[in-house]
Formats: sequence, structure tokens, C-alpha cells
Amino acid sequence: EAQVTQNPRYLITVTGKKLTVTCSQNMNHEYMSWYRQDPGLGLRQIYYSMNVEVTDKGDVPEGYKVSRKEKRNFPLILESPSPNQTSLYFCASSFQPHYNYGYTFGSGTRLTVV
Amino acid sequence: KQEVTQIPAALSVPEGENLVLNCSFTDSAIYNLQWFRQDPGKGLTSLLLIQSSQREQTSGRLNASLDKSSGRSTLYIAASQPGDSATYLCAVLGVITQGGSEKLVFGKGTKLTVNP
Repeated sequence: EAQVTQNPRYLITVTGKKLTVTCSQNMNHEYMSWYRQDPGLGLRQIYYSMNVEVTDKGDVPEGYKVSRKEKRNFPLILESPSPNQTSLYFCASSFQPHYNYGYTFGSGTRLTVV
Repeated sequence: KQEVTQIPAALSVPEGENLVLNCSFTDSAIYNLQWFRQDPGKGLTSLLLIQSSQREQTSGRLNASLDKSSGRSTLYIAASQPGDSATYLCAVLGVITQGGSEKLVFGKGTKLTVNP
């Protein structure tokens, strides 16, 4: 089944403890992206990647890192999580040029930082 | 800067009713528009994708239209069912601008409740 898989689905952590949220897609998509969803603010883009080793900032990149060493994987790294990063996170992917295609989203990761 | 607005924010209807969800966007220079469904605590499921050159797309009881020049899209749901209860999100993919890149810009969604 074609899908975007995120892990973990739920995560509670403490301030300052480094964590990684994984994202993997099995559709051979070139484009991948991370979003966060917050009440009243909607979905906002954190980082995106046009292909392997090509990444760039979205609208809200502060406090996050990403890497794209393989085409299928696009992990989101929080080096020192803070409570304001408590949110619902989504990974998405698409073929390139992605304006010809729709996006496929993962099931989300609900992160709580205490 | 592209802004996407969805009205109403919430809608409650009786089962069997036909309904329309609205989406408007400020910049008509878009590649495509995508409608998603989000169930509570769940991910986004793509419902329909309309390319900028298209006027509408249909899937089962769903029909989405696009009027790029006026910056509007509608999602029509026929014969609504309780299982249609969810939040519906509209997202537009904008044209590349100098110094930037295209990205999906979301509205804040319409929360639909279909009552049995």
C-alpha cells in the first residue's frame, strides 16, 4: 500500500531532551515536507526537501532540523525541545514537479513537551 | 502572500442534506487546489485535486469546483451521511515566486457534523 509512515504516533518528552520523529514513504516521491498543526493557526510548513541532500526552510523552521540522506526517509529532529513545540506534526510527500501532483500525508505525530 | 480562508468554520446538518463548503484564496497564481479530510486525531486524507486548468473534479458524492480568476473553490457533498463528519481542509499550491518556492498553503478548515 502506498503510504507515508510516521513514528511515533504519540510522544511525551521533557524540555531539552533531543528527539527524532521519523518519516518514510514507499512511493518513490522526490518531494517531502514537514508541517505542524496548532489550534487557531492551522497547518504551517517547517522544512521541505526537493530531493536527496536538498532541504530548505519553510515558514516556521526555528528549533527544528532535518536531513535527507535517502529518498524514502525525511526525519525531523528537535535538538532541544521546548513546550512551544507541543503540536501535531505531519509529514507529506509528492512526486516532482509537485505542482502536477497532489500531496500524500502521514497519520501524524502528537508531540507533548513538558 | 497567499492566504486561504474557509467559511464557515463549523457546520451542522441533518443526514441526507446536500451541502457546500467554501474556500477562497487571495492569489490566483496557483498550480492546483487540493481538498482534504481530517478525522479527529488522525492524518489528512486527500479527497480531490484540481489542477489550475481544470474547473471541477468529482469523486462519488463529492464534487469540487475551482474558479481561479475569482479565487474560489467549493466542495459539494451530496446526500450527507454521519460518516462524513470530519474537518475539511482546502489547500492551494502557489506558483514559484522569486527568492521563494511553491508550497501548500492551508485554510483553517470547516468542521462538519452530520446528525443522524
